Amino acid sequence: EIVLMQSPGTLSLSPGERATLSCRASQSLSSYLAWYQHKPGQAPRLLIYGASSRATGIPDRFSGSGSGTDFTLTISRLEPEDFAVYYCQQYGSSPLTFGGGTKVEI
Amino acid sequence: QVQLRQWGAGLLKPSATLSLTCAVSGGSFSGYYWSWIRQPPGKGLEWIGEVNHSGSTNYNPSLKSRVTISVDTAKNQFSLRLSSVTAADTAVYYCARQMVVGVPGPSDIWGQGTMVTLSS
Repeated sequence: EIVLMQSPGTLSLSPGERATLSCRASQSLSSYLAWYQHKPGQAPRLLIYGASSRATGIPDRFSGSGSGTDFTLTISRLEPEDFAVYYCQQYGSSPLTFGGGTKVEI
Repeated sequence: QVQLRQWGAGLLKPSATLSLTCAVSGGSFSGYYWSWIRQPPGKGLEWIGEVNHSGSTNYNPSLKSRVTISVDTAKNQFSLRLSSVTAADTAVYYCARQMVVGVPGPSDIWGQGTMVTLSS
């Protein structure tokens, strides 16, 4: 099973600031990595797939990069609605696995 | 647009069998993998398994001995059964569609979630 480690666990920032979230895999994923945003009481929302492709309707302030074992999600300018928990997920190998999450808080 | 609506019992006794169903509307059922994912209180997301329209399944080895995911193509529905539940199975359960990106991909459409609680 591929293990995903996300860092930091919590990111304390203000609206308008830049957020940089990291996801490191225990083995190479090629580009089979996705990022989700999760808010309390809601289903997760797919942001990025293929490490860097934005899902339908996702604003361009969200961007993904990386390949192999190291990946990054960047939110260029935080909006109030961006404060949430973010998960990475690998889908290149079964079982699909998620990272432990990064909470982006004010 | 594609929507997923899920339902099932939210309160179970230990050793019972959890049963949830997810209905797909507004789009194609075939050609995709359909999955179940859960989130225990205060914890992260866990992929349970997936099924395609022909009934081919893949399960998380950590749950494989207790999980069955099945499909009813006539109704555009898929279901989850998890046997011998314990307190560790208390979680919000989500159904989801996996994108087609060459391999069964990430989940782009999700159900509303069902909170399943165990209580004796």
